[in-house]
Amino acid sequence: GQNIDQPTEMTATEGAIVQINCTYQTSGFNGLFWYQQHAGEAPTFLSYNVLDGLEEKGRFSSFLSRSKGYSYLLLKELQMKDSASYLCAVIGGFKTIFGAGTRLFVKA
Amino acid sequence: DVKVTQSSRYLVKRTGEKVFLECVQDMDHENMFWYRQDPGLGLRLIYFSYDVKMKEKGDIPEGYSVSREKKERFSLILESASTNQTSMYLCASSSLPGQGSTGELFFGEGSRLTVL
Repeated sequence: GQNIDQPTEMTATEGAIVQINCTYQTSGFNGLFWYQQHAGEAPTFLSYNVLDGLEEKGRFSSFLSRSKGYSYLLLKELQMKDSASYLCAVIGGFKTIFGAGTRLFVKA
Repeated sequence: DVKVTQSSRYLVKRTGEKVFLECVQDMDHENMFWYRQDPGLGLRLIYFSYDVKMKEKGDIPEGYSVSREKKERFSLILESASTNQTSMYLCASSSLPGQGSTGELFFGEGSRLTVL
């Protein structure tokens, strides 16, 4: 079967660093995405990993280990506007399958 | 500015009614998708299409059908709406992975359907 697991909720403080983990078991793998979704809005693309290692983009970084079926999203210098849901997703063939998402609360 | 447009943001329908959700994209993408999003369950794939007149079942196709007569338009049809189809419906499109594309999804704003 296909399964993508990530924590349901996390809370962090403004200015801090937070790491959101994702583990996956899927029948196909052509890459792993992270999307951000603010309440009441559509998901938007954050990052893409297809090879093992770390991809850095400003305050956000994403890591992938294909052998372990594991990824994380690292958010640095947290801001209040980072309060949102973060969706881990795996693309295999034409299909993208999502985890249930992690709601991140950033407090002052 | 790339755009995926869903025809209705909010709909209220009665059990047994036929419901059409329309989605149009202006990016000339080959692939189009319909997801539903429910609290605690995340986005679940209903149907997708990788070409005009082509359709493939996703993980939860029961009670739904789709139509793709033109490349830019992908419709989701609920033949006889039921209360358990109350949900947020999200349309997305993407280009083919490879050839400079990751296959990332571009989403519409969503259609919140309530079935009474």
